[in-house]
Amino acid sequence: AQKITQTQPGMFVQEKEAVTLDCTYDTSDPSYGLFWYKQPSSGEMIFLIYQGSYDQQNATEGRYSLNFQKARKSANLVISASQLGDSAMYFCASLLSGGYNKLIFGAGTRLAVHP
Amino acid sequence: DVKVTQSSRYLVKRTGEKVFLECVQDMDHENMFWYRQDPGLGLRLIYFSYDVKMKEKGDIPEGYSVSREKKERFSLILESASTNQTSMYLCASSLDGQPSYNEQFFGPGTRLTVL
Repeated sequence: AQKITQTQPGMFVQEKEAVTLDCTYDTSDPSYGLFWYKQPSSGEMIFLIYQGSYDQQNATEGRYSLNFQKARKSANLVISASQLGDSAMYFCASLLSGGYNKLIFGAGTRLAVHP
Repeated sequence: DVKVTQSSRYLVKRTGEKVFLECVQDMDHENMFWYRQDPGLGLRLIYFSYDVKMKEKGDIPEGYSVSREKKERFSLILESASTNQTSMYLCASSLDGQPSYNEQFFGPGTRLTVL
């Protein structure tokens, strides 16, 4: 069965510094996709970034980038120049096999950005 | 802008009551999903639907049912609410088909408390 592991229940970072949130995945599918979502205290889930297993380059979206290491089955999220508004829960997710864009989520990492 | 709305942000019900959680999306998405979110467990898929009147069980369907009579609306039903169904419930929707993935768009969530 597919599984997503986020080993850091909580992280903190100083404002303006970079932070890496860990995510490892376990899938036997040859083709897969990985997502990162942000959940502020207001509750809504916000899509941040996507990495496909066949993408040649690591995905980047503004201050977010994915450190995708296929051999290690890891897809860590890097947030550069942290801002106070980055304080939130962050979830890593993987597309489940069988279609319909179903996702399986990790347990999440709570990030606190300190001034 | 894609919009996914949920009927209530907060709901308090009594054990044994029948509970309806409503979700509406305005982007003509084929796929709709219901998750529950619990601390330390991330999001877990309860049910999803890929077309009107079509539904499939997710990872934790026990104690829940769903209804999709119209494409834009996906309802989650707790036939007889129990205290262990106290949780945050999140609805999401996504397009199907090409490209190879489509992100899920989430509603604001319903925090349900069963007394």
